[in-house]
Amino acid sequence: GQNIDQPTEMTATEGAIVQINCTYQTSGFNGLFWYQQHAGEAPTFLSYNVLDGLEEKGRFSSFLSRSKGYSYLLLKELQMKDSASYLCASMDSNYQLIWGAGTKLIIKP
Amino acid sequence: IAGITQAPTSQILAAGRRMTLRCTQDMRHNAMYWYRQDLGLGLRLIHYSNTAGTTGKGEVPDGYSVSRANTDDFPLTLASAVPSQTSVYFCASSDRSGANVLTFGAGSRLTVL
Repeated sequence: GQNIDQPTEMTATEGAIVQINCTYQTSGFNGLFWYQQHAGEAPTFLSYNVLDGLEEKGRFSSFLSRSKGYSYLLLKELQMKDSASYLCASMDSNYQLIWGAGTKLIIKP
Repeated sequence: IAGITQAPTSQILAAGRRMTLRCTQDMRHNAMYWYRQDLGLGLRLIHYSNTAGTTGKGEVPDGYSVSRANTDDFPLTLASAVPSQTSVYFCASSDRSGANVLTFGAGSRLTVL
């Protein structure tokens, strides 16, 4: 079956670094996405990885290892506004997204 | 401002009633999607449309129907609502190019009693 696993909740301190992990098992693979969702709002796109390696975009970076079915989202210099849920999604062979349940990130001052 | 508009924002509905959630986009995206989001679960695809005039079933289509008469509109209908359809519903669209990034509407919170 298809499955996406990510931690339910994480806590970090303002100014610190946090890594949110995601493992995936999908029928085929056409890319790994990360979305951010603030409470009560719509998900918004953060990153897309289709090749192995690290993609850096400002304070956010995303890593992919296709052989391990593994990705992580790295957030640096955490700010209070980064408190949100982070959704991992894998695109399968039919180009449909399979979503994880999301990781709720709590930032403490 | 370009984007997706969903209506209503929130609705309480009696079981057995018919309900249509509206979704309109002004980005001229080919593909549109309806997801439901429930606590502790990932977004689940209900129905999708790759282009105007075509629709397809997602992971959880039962009890829902959609139509795509034109590029901009993609309404979702619950023919006879049941309590298990209580959820937050998100409409999304994409241009299906490159990474196929989804743009989401603000969501419709539906409670079926």
